[in-house]
Amino acid sequence: EVQLVQSGAEVKKPGESLKISCQGSGYDFSAYWITWVRQMPGKGLDWMGIVYPGDSDTRYSPSSQGQVTISADKSINTAYLQWNSLEASDSGIYFCARQVGRTSPIDYWGQGTPVTVSS
Amino acid sequence: DIVMTQSPDSLAVSLGERAAINCKSSQSLFYSSYNKNYLDWYQQKPGQPPKLLISWASTRESGVPDRFSGSGSGTDFTLTISSLQTEDVAVYYCQQHFSTPLSFGGGTKVEIK
Repeated sequence: EVQLVQSGAEVKKPGESLKISCQGSGYDFSAYWITWVRQMPGKGLDWMGIVYPGDSDTRYSPSSQGQVTISADKSINTAYLQWNSLEASDSGIYFCARQVGRTSPIDYWGQGTPVTVSS
Repeated sequence: DIVMTQSPDSLAVSLGERAAINCKSSQSLFYSSYNKNYLDWYQQKPGQPPKLLISWASTRESGVPDRFSGSGSGTDFTLTISSLQTEDVAVYYCQQHFSTPLSFGGGTKVEIK
């Protein structure tokens, strides 16, 4: 069974750093892309970027470029989304999800990681 | 970058009646080499991640009830629920995967009238 299990909820202060994770199981993690999607409270879905664990090829949305770092460690079947300096506007739920190809449907989703940034 | 526009923002339909959601892209999502439209539909219920309902504009995913159907090509697409059921109350999103950055429509909230 394909599963994407994300790390737990986080509460941080502005300026702090954060790294959340997404561990895949039940499939060849190296052979599928992992995409990250943000959902701000009560809002829609925003695509942030994508990584191919097999060779760490990474693409970002224009709004995420330079704001976050997406990475993957295929040895432990885990992808990451990290911030060096959080802002209150980074609050939201972050989903990881799987794609067969960089331009393929998103077929499996993680459960989401809520992030709250507040002073 | 491709912009996805959904309409309406919300929709209230009586049980058993038809619901239709529209999605328009700022450029064609049809890739002639593969004869496919790079457009998907997702359903999201409160507190849950999105779920893939329809891929490649019209291919229903395994386990999705046949009251859900997708149509359209190029820049104009429609998700139709032929007979609305209580469990269909959710927010529905279209998404293009023709090119990165991938992009979603703003979502359509479907409720029972």
